Amino acid sequence: GAVVSQHPSWVICKSGTSVKIECRSLDFQATTMFWYRQFPKQSLMLMATSNEGSKATYEQGVEKDKFLINHASLTLSTLTVTSAHPEDSSFYICSARDPLGDYGYTFGSGTRLTVV
Amino acid sequence: AQTVTQSQPEMSVQEAETVTLSCTYDTSESDYYLFWYKQPPSRQMILVIRQEAYKQQNATENRFSVNFQKAAKSFSLKISDSQLGDAAMYFCAYRSSNTGNQFYFGTGTSLTVIP
Repeated sequence: GAVVSQHPSWVICKSGTSVKIECRSLDFQATTMFWYRQFPKQSLMLMATSNEGSKATYEQGVEKDKFLINHASLTLSTLTVTSAHPEDSSFYICSARDPLGDYGYTFGSGTRLTVV
Repeated sequence: AQTVTQSQPEMSVQEAETVTLSCTYDTSESDYYLFWYKQPPSRQMILVIRQEAYKQQNATENRFSVNFQKAAKSFSLKISDSQLGDAAMYFCAYRSSNTGNQFYFGTGTSLTVIP
């Protein structure tokens, strides 16, 4: 089945630095990827929709300058948290759509970001 | 935007027994998909079962089945013969077939399986 690899699985960074999270579709081409954020014991909240070759669409309230999304190829989308602060600490999950798959949505294993 | 409501933050069930998790949703669309996802401590989202709104027949996957009531906008998950490995967070999700194709998730139900 479709596999989405997310890397790193966890990262600790200092306040003010930037962190990049990768989301790769391993055995299919993903024209659309989604980035979610999940706080402890809460639901997944969509941050942005990433479309290959075009600008990402951000949900209301999500700072596009802080959460930079790049979807430069059909198998890779990246989320860069810029000038990270402790309040950015969270669990980030990507999801990719396999246009040829049955219902075709697969989630990555997530990235735990801790900003100290 | 569509909303998905899970009114049971926590549920518990004895091993081998049956448990039902509730989910309601709000939408003005007629064509959509509903899902139940399981999130174990590893945090990996695992698809449990899905239902197309245009299908009247309730979906079934082994020990997992749903009760889909379109008019009532209700989509409950029944887990039969509960196993220890079923313990996890369960999320109900809605996805439109028309626009955006994004998921809308409920707030989740934490299921504990008692040996």
